[in-house]
Amino acid sequence: GNSVTQMEGPVTLSEEAFLTINCTYTATGYPSLFWYVQYPGEGLQLLLKATKADDKGSNKGFEATYRKETTSFHLEKGSVQVSDSAVYFCALRGPGSARQLTFGSGTQLTVLP
Amino acid sequence: DTGVSQDPRHKITKRGQNVTFRCDPISEHNRLYWYRQTLGQGPEFLTYFQNEAQLEKSRLLSDRFSAERPKGSFSTLEIQRTEQGDSAMYLCASSFAQGADIQYFGAGTRLSVL
Repeated sequence: GNSVTQMEGPVTLSEEAFLTINCTYTATGYPSLFWYVQYPGEGLQLLLKATKADDKGSNKGFEATYRKETTSFHLEKGSVQVSDSAVYFCALRGPGSARQLTFGSGTQLTVLP
Repeated sequence: DTGVSQDPRHKITKRGQNVTFRCDPISEHNRLYWYRQTLGQGPEFLTYFQNEAQLEKSRLLSDRFSAERPKGSFSTLEIQRTEQGDSAMYLCASSFAQGADIQYFGAGTRLSVL
């Protein structure tokens, strides 16, 4: 079945540091890949997505590239802000008729001023 | 567009009681999903509807769980004879089947079974 493995946290960075959160997946075929972010007390929000190999998703300074050869979708940001503190979830949606998302376990990011 | 709304936000119940949660999706969305999230874990899929039809159910959805979406709009998730292991955050999401089919999530209902 489908699965997502995410870098374990928590991750603590200073403001303006470079961020990488690793995500690898197992799936048959070509899944769609997503990063969601969850701020305290709020629902999950889509951060970015990629639907085919070599696609790069980007939003709010965050980027992730769909790498079929390494089955990875690592999240990066060049300069984090305190407001980026949240839990980040990598997820996939399999090809075909299955519509549900399969999530990783999440990575807690704390950015210190 | 007010987003996906879930009610209640918190529910505390005693073991053995029945509970029901409600989800109101984004108005034009025809797909609705339920997920469960336990502390420190990502959401796990429970079931999803397209319009009023329940199209898929996870093995996690035991026979004590039932979900409905009678008119293809709001949905309810009922848990009968609750157990302590049911304590979790229950998340609802909705999407529009055409196009990118992106799932938008509500803030969730946190269930505590004492």
